[in-house]
Amino acid sequence: AQTVTQSQPEMSVQEAETVTLSCTYDTSENNYYLFWYKQPPSRQMILVIRQEAYKQQNATENRFSVNFQKAAKSFSLKISDSQLGDTAMYFCALLFTSGTYKYIFGTGTRLKVLA
Amino acid sequence: EPEVTQTPSHQVTQMGQEVILRCVPISNHLYFYWYRQILGQKVEFLVSFYNNEISEKSEIFDDQFSVERPDGSNFTLKIRSTKLEDSAMYFCASFPGTRSYEQYFGPGTRLTVT
Repeated sequence: AQTVTQSQPEMSVQEAETVTLSCTYDTSENNYYLFWYKQPPSRQMILVIRQEAYKQQNATENRFSVNFQKAAKSFSLKISDSQLGDTAMYFCALLFTSGTYKYIFGTGTRLKVLA
Repeated sequence: EPEVTQTPSHQVTQMGQEVILRCVPISNHLYFYWYRQILGQKVEFLVSFYNNEISEKSEIFDDQFSVERPDGSNFTLKIRSTKLEDSAMYFCASFPGTRSYEQYFGPGTRLTVT
């Protein structure tokens, strides 16, 4: 079965500090992408960062970066210099590049940034 | 910037009633999806649609559900006879078919079944 696991239901971090959200996945496929989506209280799904599984280099987008460990099937998200606006639910998602390109989401981590 | 839109933002309906949730995907996108999120839970795949037909559906997507793209613009999800457990946020998403593989989500429709 192809699954995505986020083992931290809730986390908090002080403003300006760094926090890491974990995600692990299980698949026997080789060709896939991984994503982190942010869902603020408005419930809109916002793409944070994307990682191609064939790339060894970890993706970065400004304050957001990932630690992608393909052999360990791990895909953690690091948020540096946390801001109050980062308070949201964060979902890890897996997509296979064959088939219908649907997302398989994890259960989410609720992040609260404290002033 | 083009965006996916969904209407209504909130729908309240009585158990057993039919509801239609509407989505307008981004115009040059080729793949369309519905996802569901029960309050406080993860986002679950319902159905994917490509080339005017369903390409995959989940176990949740039973005979009570149907999808249509009636006019090349709208993409609808119909629930024929709603149940209490259908109460959830429903997200529409579209994807252009490029190698970014990024799906663009609408703002969601909150469905409340009473």
